[in-house]
Amino acid sequence: GAVVSQHPSWVICKSGTSVKIECRSLDFQATTMFWYRQFPKQSLMLMATSNEGSKATYEQGVEKDKFLINHASLTLSTLTVTSAHPEDSSFYICSARAGQFMNTEAFFGQGTRLTVV
Amino acid sequence: SQQGEEDPQALSIQEGENATMNCSYKTSINNLQWYRQNSGRGLVHLILIRSNEREKHSGRLRVTLDTSKKSSSLLITASRAADTASYFCATGANTGGFKTIFGAGTRLFVKA
Repeated sequence: GAVVSQHPSWVICKSGTSVKIECRSLDFQATTMFWYRQFPKQSLMLMATSNEGSKATYEQGVEKDKFLINHASLTLSTLTVTSAHPEDSSFYICSARAGQFMNTEAFFGQGTRLTVV
Repeated sequence: SQQGEEDPQALSIQEGENATMNCSYKTSINNLQWYRQNSGRGLVHLILIRSNEREKHSGRLRVTLDTSKKSSSLLITASRAADTASYFCATGANTGGFKTIFGAGTRLFVKA
């Protein structure tokens, strides 16, 4: 299957700093990417949908000013957690789909474990 | 918000037994996917079943989909200790954009 690479795989940062997470589709063009957050022993919660060249669509309850998403190219989307706080500590996972058609598999990155101290 | 609900939340079985996990969802879907996640790691895609399909197989995995009941099941036959993981169903639907929404997941533990 197609490969989605997420970087970094883990990061520790100080409270109040910002952290950027990258999601790259390595062998296909991803018109749409998705960002999820997962707390321990819980499921994945969709945060936002990222479309290349346009603004991200955020799910209800997700602060767009805190979680900045940029999808500048067909192979790269970034999530920046701004002014991170300990409650932002979580596992963040991106996924990418090659086209806009729903009946295609979404490929997932390996995830980024963020710890804010 | 979560689309799917899964049961059981946790399942413990002996190696060699079959494991069945169920998923129910609320809205119309285009497809339903099952994923596996080992503790603290990324997702492994298992099977995608489209809304016009009723059953799919892949190795020891069998997935069924009943759109009239808005439910799906994942059967793992002849389970192995290595199957120990969390299993999630995820529905693909056009709900204000094409999204994949995850269920709560089933934690499967296979005892050797």
